[in-house]
Amino acid sequence: DQQVKQNSPSLSVQEGRISILNCDYTNSMFDYFLWYKKYPAEGPTFLISISSIKDKNEDGRFTVFLNKSAKHLSLHIVPSQPGDSAVYFCAASANNFNKFYFGSGTKLNVKP
Amino acid sequence: GAGVSQSPSNKVTEKGKDVELRCDPISGHTALYWYRQRLGQGLEFLIYFQGNSAPDKSGLPSDRFSAERTGESVSTLTIQRTQQEDSAVYLCASSLHGQGREYFGPGTRLTVT
Repeated sequence: DQQVKQNSPSLSVQEGRISILNCDYTNSMFDYFLWYKKYPAEGPTFLISISSIKDKNEDGRFTVFLNKSAKHLSLHIVPSQPGDSAVYFCAASANNFNKFYFGSGTKLNVKP
Repeated sequence: GAGVSQSPSNKVTEKGKDVELRCDPISGHTALYWYRQRLGQGLEFLIYFQGNSAPDKSGLPSDRFSAERTGESVSTLTIQRTQQEDSAVYLCASSLHGQGREYFGPGTRLTVT
C-alpha cells in the first residue's frame, strides 16, 4: 500500500503562471517531507523540504505548504519557467531518515 | 565536487543471468540507499545502509536481490536469476546521517530480455 501518493501524473502550465503540485500521505508518523525534481536520464535532485513543526517553507520561487490535519502537502512554483519542466517527486520520512517513501511523481510541462 | 556515481549506466541481460550494479557514494556520506523505478512508477525503496549498523533490507522484493556495502564506500546490488519484471532504473543515493536529504546518482537502466 503506497503511503505517499501523487494523484496527478501530469500537469501543464503556461510560463509565468503558478504551478501547484500536490501530494497526500497516509502515515501520521511522517514528520519530514521533501520535494525532488528529476530530469530525464538523471537522478532526482533535492528541491525543498519541510518539517512537520512548520506549515510553510519558501525558497525563491518555490514554496512548500504542509497541512498535517489533511495529510497533504503541495509545492507552488511562481512564476513557472520552461526550465521547470521535469518530473517532481514528493517524499516523506519518519523521525530518523532511515527510509524515505516516495510518490509516483508528477510530470510538469511549462509551456513558453 | 564528485557526486554519486553508478555503473554501468545501461545493462541489457538475458533472463536467468545474474547482474551486479555498482554505486560510489559521495565521500563521507554514511548513509546509502538503493531504489528501483519501474516504468511509469515512483521510487521503490530497496535497502538502506547506515555506517556499521545492520542494513534495513525490508524493501528487497525477493531473495534474488542482495546488496553489500564496504565500510562507508562503494555498494553493489546483485540480482540473481534475473526476470523480466526486474527491468527498471536502479537508483542509488547517499546522505550524511540525519541530514534529511539524499543525493542521487544517475541510475542504472536494467533491461532483462
